[in-house]
Amino acid sequence: RKEVEQDPGPFNVPEGATVAFNCTYSNSASQSFFWYRQDCRKEPKLLMSVYSSGNEDGRFTAQLNRASQYISLLIRDSKLSDSATYLCVSQEGNQFYFGTGTSLTVIP
Amino acid sequence: EAGVVQSPRYKIIEKKQPVAFWCNPISGHNTLYWYLQNLGQGPELLIRYENEEAVDDSQLPKDRFSAERLKGVDSTLKIQPAELGDSAVYHCASSLANGYNEQFFGPGTRLTVL
Repeated sequence: RKEVEQDPGPFNVPEGATVAFNCTYSNSASQSFFWYRQDCRKEPKLLMSVYSSGNEDGRFTAQLNRASQYISLLIRDSKLSDSATYLCVSQEGNQFYFGTGTSLTVIP
Repeated sequence: EAGVVQSPRYKIIEKKQPVAFWCNPISGHNTLYWYLQNLGQGPELLIRYENEEAVDDSQLPKDRFSAERLKGVDSTLKIQPAELGDSAVYHCASSLANGYNEQFFGPGTRLTVL
């Protein structure tokens, strides 16, 4: 069983739509969580950390539910430039576990 | 500030040949990671260095893969001999220290084994 599971998608949404991705993790001892963004044929880049209280950065909101062991990412008012793969990451001690990524395409 | 530098960006070799990848992390970053990423998958850790010490190489296939970071700065990952299944993107990443969470990834080396 993978440490981190994500729906690979693809998610195809129109510009301006709101889209949400979920991610589940298997180890309840996981300490920290992140969302990374990866453009086609590029390297992953940190999008945002996920805090227990939830956090927001502009159009992006990340939430953590420890009881159900899932993390979510909400993107409001989708832009064409949001098209990418979004990777969920959990940290256990010194280990980082990446999900397979969820593919998003924002359509004009 | 320069990011993580990797070379080569692309490499095509025949199976059973050796290949080496080079990484120069961001200046001052003590922790260096080598990841393997297959198409449609997330990065998977191969080895992690704290300065010059390999502190986690449990996922490194040691029969054919080796890595070094002799002076605690740049690093080399080698495969000898390469197999067809080694075709993937090999990313190097670095962070200030392992307790500092953000990892900065290099552009990767795309390896094709024929």
